[in-house]
Amino acid sequence: EDKVVQSPLSLVVHEGDTVTLNCSYEVTNFRSLLWYKQEKKAPTFLFMLTSSGIEKKSGRLSSILDKKELSSILNITATQTGDSAIYLCAQAGTALIFGKGTTLSVSS
Amino acid sequence: DAGVIQSPRHEVTEMGQEVTLRCKPISGHNSLFWYRQTMMRGLELLIYFNNNVPIDDSGMPEDRFSAKMPNASFSTLKIQPSEPRDSAVYFCASSPGQTNSPLHFGNGTRLTVT
Repeated sequence: EDKVVQSPLSLVVHEGDTVTLNCSYEVTNFRSLLWYKQEKKAPTFLFMLTSSGIEKKSGRLSSILDKKELSSILNITATQTGDSAIYLCAQAGTALIFGKGTTLSVSS
Repeated sequence: DAGVIQSPRHEVTEMGQEVTLRCKPISGHNSLFWYRQTMMRGLELLIYFNNNVPIDDSGMPEDRFSAKMPNASFSTLKIQPSEPRDSAVYFCASSPGQTNSPLHFGNGTRLTVT
């Protein structure tokens, strides 16, 4: 059974739309929740969340952790074609365990 | 900083052959991780090292897979013998600390076993 579950698996939107990506994790051995963006090559780090309810923000991207619900969301506002990528969340315990990712396609 | 360096970028080999993937972590990082990525299974952790010592290899799929880290600046992942189902992108990543630190990924090695 997967420990980190992301939804949806894929998403197609138009430029300018706002999207919300979901991630749920297990409480066992939890230390933090991380989000990565993967385009053609290596995943690149976006956010690390350790405290519940505190929003992390970077430009049009933001993320928040809900420890009560064992979940996190990644929001992207005013999407652009350059946001097209796989978005991965990972639970940090003894190592990073990744979900399968959400493939986001933004059409112009 | 050159980042995590992996080689080769692409590897095509025939079933039964030995494959060796190489990784140079970021200087000063003391944790190193090997991941495998496929469409079906996503990013799977194979093994990780801390201070050159293997900490958890429970993700290594079979005895055909082995990994070494002879020193702080070099690691290898070996598959012998290789099989078509090993075809995937293999990523190496490093971090400054053992846990709770963002990983820095290499660009991966795309392995195709025919």
